[in-house]
Amino acid sequence: LAKTTQPISMDSYEGQEVNITCSHNNIATNDYITWYQQFPSQGPRFIIQGYKTKVTNEVASLFIPADRKSSTLSLPRVSLSDTAVYYCLVGPNQAGTALIFGKGTTLSVSS
Amino acid sequence: EADIYQTPRYLVIGTGKKITLECSQTMGHDKMYWYQQDPGMELHLIHYSYGVNSTEKGDLSSESTVSRIRTEHFPLTLESARPSHTSQYLCASSPGGQGAMNTEAFFGQGTRLTVV
Repeated sequence: LAKTTQPISMDSYEGQEVNITCSHNNIATNDYITWYQQFPSQGPRFIIQGYKTKVTNEVASLFIPADRKSSTLSLPRVSLSDTAVYYCLVGPNQAGTALIFGKGTTLSVSS
Repeated sequence: EADIYQTPRYLVIGTGKKITLECSQTMGHDKMYWYQQDPGMELHLIHYSYGVNSTEKGDLSSESTVSRIRTEHFPLTLESARPSHTSQYLCASSPGGQGAMNTEAFFGQGTRLTVV
């Protein structure tokens, strides 16, 4: 999987929009960008995935510029329950390779 | 809803005991993983498998072993538990092959192991 860089931590208040950016300069042509969310004492949960442009689901939006060297996870109007660690993974996860999670971004939402 | 199960959820065991943590999935996924995670710390990959009879060590040397005799089952064994093995163990699975879906992993609830 391609190496990724994302902020270690972010703070926000309830009701704000939060954008977490992930850099992946060495992304390959067949790589997808996948984001996971992890709450304390639970395993990570897949939240969104994209290849290019914009993807939106009920949880978040994912913005990917044309060069695909970065991506931004956008959480609209966060609440206290969005406090979690967010991981960005890039790759096709080909046979013989594994999913490696980095340190992720710890998002803390306050009231 | 993910169909991946880990047992036991919690385990307290004495030093030197042999233990097996169970993980099963009913999604037919080719790839399965074991991760170790301490509170507030990174997920460390300790073992993975990309199909029956294939197992690989991850980036963390954990003194454990795994087997993959059936697609749905990926147990983790500690031959002699030590206090340093106290941690949370998370099992996951993902589809094989190429394309987007094989980076969508599903995690079990985890096993919290305490070795005394």
